Amino acid sequence: AQSVTQLGSHVSVSEGALVLLRCNYSSSVPPYLFWYVQYPNQGLQLLLKYTTGATLVKGINGFEAEFKKSETSFHLTKPSAHMSDAAEYFCAVSKPYQGAQKLVFGQGTRLTINP
Amino acid sequence: DADVTQTPRNRITKTGKRIMLECSQTKGHDRMYWYRQDPGLGLRLIYYSFDVKDINKGEISDGYSVSRQAQAKFSLSLESAIPNQTALYFCATSDGASSYEQYFGPGTRLTVT
Repeated sequence: AQSVTQLGSHVSVSEGALVLLRCNYSSSVPPYLFWYVQYPNQGLQLLLKYTTGATLVKGINGFEAEFKKSETSFHLTKPSAHMSDAAEYFCAVSKPYQGAQKLVFGQGTRLTINP
Repeated sequence: DADVTQTPRNRITKTGKRIMLECSQTKGHDRMYWYRQDPGLGLRLIYYSFDVKDINKGEISDGYSVSRQAQAKFSLSLESAIPNQTALYFCATSDGASSYEQYFGPGTRLTVT
């Protein structure tokens, strides 16, 4: 069975600092990997995804993530945090033939930006 | 107008009551999903439907039932609500077998007292 672990339920950074949100996965086959963001009182929206090909993927709002098979990781980064990045972030995994179906989510990381 | 809508947005109900949460979408997608979100647990899949005649149980279907009334409508029912069903419920859609993205509604906050 697939699973996702997000290290740190809360992360706090200063405005302008590097954002690093950690995600490790467990899967018997090379997975598809996703990061979703949830702003207060809203549903989730896709930030970025890895399916095949280049292991460094870029998403919306300046975020990027790198798939590292040897480390079973898919950490999310942004070089310079902005106040508008405050939200909850979810890493998710699916099996390749399932595409976006049957996503398995991590427990989420709440990102706080300090002025 | 939102592509995926959920009604109601907030609901407080009593233990033992039957309640229905509704989801509608205008995206024309064939696949629809119901999740519940609990603090510290992320989102867990309750039921999913790949078309009107296809309904499947997810990770935590006990105590829930669903109905796919049309391609655009997918309802979640709690036959006899209990307090540990207090959670935030999300509906989502995706387009076909090759889609890589699910589109989420705004959520329904359900409290069972």
